[in-house]
Amino acid sequence: EAGVTQFPSHSVIEKGQTVTLRCDPISGHDNLYWYRRVMGKEIKFLLHFVKESKQDESGMPNNRFLAERTGGTYSTLKVQPAELEDSGVYFCASSPASTGLILEKYFGPGTRLTVT
Amino acid sequence: GDSVTQMEGPVTLSEEAFLTINCTYTATGYPSLFWYVQYPGEGLQLLLKATKADDKGSNKGFEATYRKETTSFHLEKGSVQVSDSAVYFCALTTGFSGYSTLTFGKGTMLLVSP
Repeated sequence: EAGVTQFPSHSVIEKGQTVTLRCDPISGHDNLYWYRRVMGKEIKFLLHFVKESKQDESGMPNNRFLAERTGGTYSTLKVQPAELEDSGVYFCASSPASTGLILEKYFGPGTRLTVT
Repeated sequence: GDSVTQMEGPVTLSEEAFLTINCTYTATGYPSLFWYVQYPGEGLQLLLKATKADDKGSNKGFEATYRKETTSFHLEKGSVQVSDSAVYFCALTTGFSGYSTLTFGKGTMLLVSP
C-alpha cells in the first residue's frame, strides 16, 4: 500500500509568486489534513477535509491560502501571493473514516517551501 | 488552549547511551498523547501513544508513560543506536476519531554517534 505522497518535495519561489502544493492521501482515506512547520517552531494544524468537504479550517493563517480537495481524493494547497513568513515545511496527513476511535494519522514527507 | 513543551535540541549521544527527551503538556480536556519521529527525508511516523493516565506506550525499544499528575510524557530508550538519529515530536489530541487534530511540540533532534 502506497503511503501519503506530496509534491514537490522542495519549492523555492520569490515573494509575490504563487505556489501550489499537492497531497495524495492513502487510497480510501476520507480524512485529509494539512499541517505546517515554520522553522524552529511547532507543527501547526492548518485544515481538515472529510472527503471533499472542509471540516475545520481554523488553522489557515489568512486568505492567501486556498485548499481544495475536488472529488475527495488528492488535495492542493495554493499560496497566492507568497510572503516570506510562509516559508516552512508543509505536511499532509490522512486517516480512515471515523469509527469513534482515535485513529492514527499517516503523514507524508512534507514539502519544504522557501520564499525569498 | 492546548500546548506541548519539549526539551530543546539537539541531543547528542554516543551509541548505547540512555536517552530521555522530556515532554510536558497543558490541555483543556483529557488528552491522548503521542510521540512521532521523522527520520531524514521521510514523513512523520507514529512511534508510540498512550490514551489514559498511567498507560505506557512502547515501540522499537522506546517507552513513554502518561503521567497525569505531572502532565508529562517523557520519551526514554535504554540504549540508542545510530539509526535512531531523527527528530522526535511530542503531540496531543483532545478530540476523538478522525476529527481529532494534533497539537505538537517544537521537536527535538537526536544525533547518535558510533
